[in-house]
Amino acid sequence: DAGVIQSPRHEVTEMGQEVTLRCKPISGHDYLFWYRQTMMRGLELLIYFNNNVPIDDSGMPEDRFSAKMPNASFSTLKIQPSEPRDSAVYFCASTNRGIGNQPQHFGDGTRLSIL
Amino acid sequence: GEDVEQSLFLSVREGDSSVINCTYTDSSSTYLYWYKQEPGAGLQLLTYIFSNMDMKQDQRLTVLLNKKDKHLSLRIADTQTGDSAIYFCAENGETDNFNKFYFGSGTKLNVKP
Repeated sequence: DAGVIQSPRHEVTEMGQEVTLRCKPISGHDYLFWYRQTMMRGLELLIYFNNNVPIDDSGMPEDRFSAKMPNASFSTLKIQPSEPRDSAVYFCASTNRGIGNQPQHFGDGTRLSIL
Repeated sequence: GEDVEQSLFLSVREGDSSVINCTYTDSSSTYLYWYKQEPGAGLQLLTYIFSNMDMKQDQRLTVLLNKKDKHLSLRIADTQTGDSAIYFCAENGETDNFNKFYFGSGTKLNVKP
């Protein structure tokens, strides 16, 4: 089975540019999470969706960040305008709510560098 | 909110046992997890334990849970250089946030040959 797929794997862009990160969750999973990982702050949950609906976006840093999930197989995280402090590794994860243990499955991440 | 804490670094020699510790605050957690992150990769689920268990063994991995002290540990027997990675413990939230995980800061394990 294919795991969580993220693209691009690496992104380098200049500050002020719009950045779009993409995620395809595991088929059949109804929860999708976006995380950011930095040395200073560790792993932070930005937002998560259930059945394509945003449930908790309290971790989104500011209005420059937005996330969408137009259908069950695709989500985007957009930063506009980007700033150097947004440089981090962004992970997408998915899971399926059910009875019993349902761990989160992570993609390999997008390494974002804002110059 | 939930708080999960881990020490940042651990260094061991190849062949020794490694013990990575974690403390958490949410006593209502149903499951506790250990994830492994290798350089340049995402987090990979290693093992998990149900909150009504004290111990779980899976090949070289042993998970111990002390629910009274809210302490979780991961023991890796016969540690190999390939075990060098960052290890995260995580707990799921309360019933309404069952699928919202709370991660520790990660423990970087360095295995010396």
